[in-house]
Amino acid sequence: AQKVTQAQTEISVVEKEDVTLDCVYETRDTTYYLFWYKQPPSGELVFLIRRNSFDEQNEISGRYSWNFQKSTSSFNFTITASQVVDSAVYFCAPPTGNTGKLIFGQGTTLQVKP
Amino acid sequence: NAGVMQNPRHLVRRRGQEARLRCSPMKGHSHVYWYRQLPEEGLKFMVYLQKENIIDESGMPKERFSAEFPKEGPSILRIQQVVRGDSAAYFCASSPGWTGGINYGYTFGSGTRLTVV
Repeated sequence: AQKVTQAQTEISVVEKEDVTLDCVYETRDTTYYLFWYKQPPSGELVFLIRRNSFDEQNEISGRYSWNFQKSTSSFNFTITASQVVDSAVYFCAPPTGNTGKLIFGQGTTLQVKP
Repeated sequence: NAGVMQNPRHLVRRRGQEARLRCSPMKGHSHVYWYRQLPEEGLKFMVYLQKENIIDESGMPKERFSAEFPKEGPSILRIQQVVRGDSAAYFCASSPGWTGGINYGYTFGSGTRLTVV
């Protein structure tokens, strides 16, 4: 069975610090996708990134970067120079099975203090 | 493109009443997923539908909950005889599906916050 683990429940940093959020996805599937979503205090779910297991190349988008290591099943997300507006709950979520339903990790609450 | 539209944004029901939550997928998306987020918890899959068909309802509670996605109109999540424990945020996501092994992703609505009093 698949298992998604976000071991960090809460992280608190001061503005401008870098922060890395961890996600481990255990699966027997040889190919798979992973999604990251952000849920700010307003409650909506904001899509951040989609990655697949074929591509272990790191990806950078502005202050965001993603590091995917298939050998350790880890898919980590780094925010560089964090800002107060980054305060949110961050979820990683792989689609599973034949239906593509997402299984969400427990989420990591990030608090960025001014 | 207006995105995935969910309404109402907030819904208050008394115990025993019915709640009807609506989700209009993005244009061109024929796959709809419903998720529930209980207070202080993560998101849990409930049901997956395509037009006029329930494909996977493995996450739906056995009683009082039902879902549909008719040929015309929005997808509806219906909760009969609501109880306090049904208070949660309910999210709908739509997808164009996947072909050739490529997953084209999901677009979430803003959610419906159901409060049972």
